[in-house]
Amino acid sequence: EPEVTQTPSHQVTQMGQEVILRCVPISNHLYFYWYRQILGQKVEFLVSFYNNEISEKSEIFDDQFSVERPDGSNFTLKIRSTKLEDSAMYFCASSSGTSVFSETQYFGPGTRLLVL
Amino acid sequence: KNQVEQSPQSLIILEGKNCTLQCNYTVSPFSNLRWYKQDTGRGPVSLTIMTFSENTKSNGRYTATLDADTKQSSLHITASQLSDSASYICVVTSGAGNNRKLIWGLGTSLAVNP
Repeated sequence: EPEVTQTPSHQVTQMGQEVILRCVPISNHLYFYWYRQILGQKVEFLVSFYNNEISEKSEIFDDQFSVERPDGSNFTLKIRSTKLEDSAMYFCASSSGTSVFSETQYFGPGTRLLVL
Repeated sequence: KNQVEQSPQSLIILEGKNCTLQCNYTVSPFSNLRWYKQDTGRGPVSLTIMTFSENTKSNGRYTATLDADTKQSSLHITASQLSDSASYICVVTSGAGNNRKLIWGLGTSLAVNP
């Protein structure tokens, strides 16, 4: 069964450093998403991406964040200068998005980011 | 303000027992409601998705109900198994088209004990 994959599974970085989180969505999906979940808190929407551009972003997704689909398979989230409060689990998701009935989002296993 | 509230916060049951988890929402405009299962350290997995016109949907031992008038949903788990131990999250979609927004609940942490 096709699945969303994410790398790395864990990332430790120093405050102020740049990190790139990578995702390979399900191959025939059209919509891609990034979420984060701070330990013990709700999943939070960051950004959605469709047709090679951001379709929506939340207040969390400020200028420190960017997304890219550099080729036909990868979808990346870059945090330019990490802060302590960026420590969280980051989930990538994808959906076919063809109708309200088929927009189930399939989530990857997550990347746990720890900023020291 | 768009909100999704879930209860109870946590629940412990014995293997083989049934349980019901609750979700109340104040989301407008309403598009659909999902229940996700999230194992510890893993991404959420969709269990059911319902629009306003559907009031019940089953997926194996999971049955979700939706009352769009009272803005309440429940997830009933029948004959629980140890593998049902997870967080169950209610997510409501607001809006349509490219302006969809998912409003997430905090989840109910379920522990199924032998």
